[in-house]
Amino acid sequence: AQKITQTQPGMFVQEKEAVTLDCTYDTSDQSYGLFWYKQPSSGEMIFLIYQGSYDEQNATEGRYSLNFQKARKSANLVISASQLGDSAMYFCAMRREYGNKLVFGAGTILRVKS
Amino acid sequence: EPEVTQTPSHQVTQMGQEVILRCVPISNHLYFYWYRQILGQKVEFLVSFYNNEISEKSEIFDDQFSVERPDGSNFTLKIRSTKLEDSAMYFCASESASGRYQETQYFGPGTRLLVL
Repeated sequence: AQKITQTQPGMFVQEKEAVTLDCTYDTSDQSYGLFWYKQPSSGEMIFLIYQGSYDEQNATEGRYSLNFQKARKSANLVISASQLGDSAMYFCAMRREYGNKLVFGAGTILRVKS
Repeated sequence: EPEVTQTPSHQVTQMGQEVILRCVPISNHLYFYWYRQILGQKVEFLVSFYNNEISEKSEIFDDQFSVERPDGSNFTLKIRSTKLEDSAMYFCASESASGRYQETQYFGPGTRLLVL
């Protein structure tokens, strides 16, 4: 069965600094997708970034990048130049090759300090 | 930019009542999902829907739940007889045609359901 582990319940970062949110996963599948979503206090789920299991390059989307280490089964989200608006809950999720559902981790609350 | 919409944003109901949560997926998307998030907990998959039938469902999605695509735009989740433990945020999501693991699911803003 798939499992996503986010070991940091909460993180603080100073504005304009970079922060890494950890995500490890467990699967026996060879093909899978890894996703990060942001959930602000207003509650919506916003897609941030995707990494495929066969992607050789780490994914990047603007200030978001994914530090993908397949052998370690980790897919950490790196946010560069943090902004106050980055304060939110961040969820890591995985999708198997066969099947449609996303399996989510417990999330990490990020607080950006000015 | 196209987005998933959900109505209502909030719903309060009495235990035992039926509720219908509505979603309008992104227009050219063919795969639809419902997830729920109990306050302070992780997001959980309920059901996926493709080609007018359920393609996968979780153990949470019991006989009290049903989904329907009554027309070309709406996708609904019905809870027949609500329980206190059904109180949660319910998210609708949709994705485009392939249904493959690389596809991104786009979420709506959620319906916050409170069962009293």
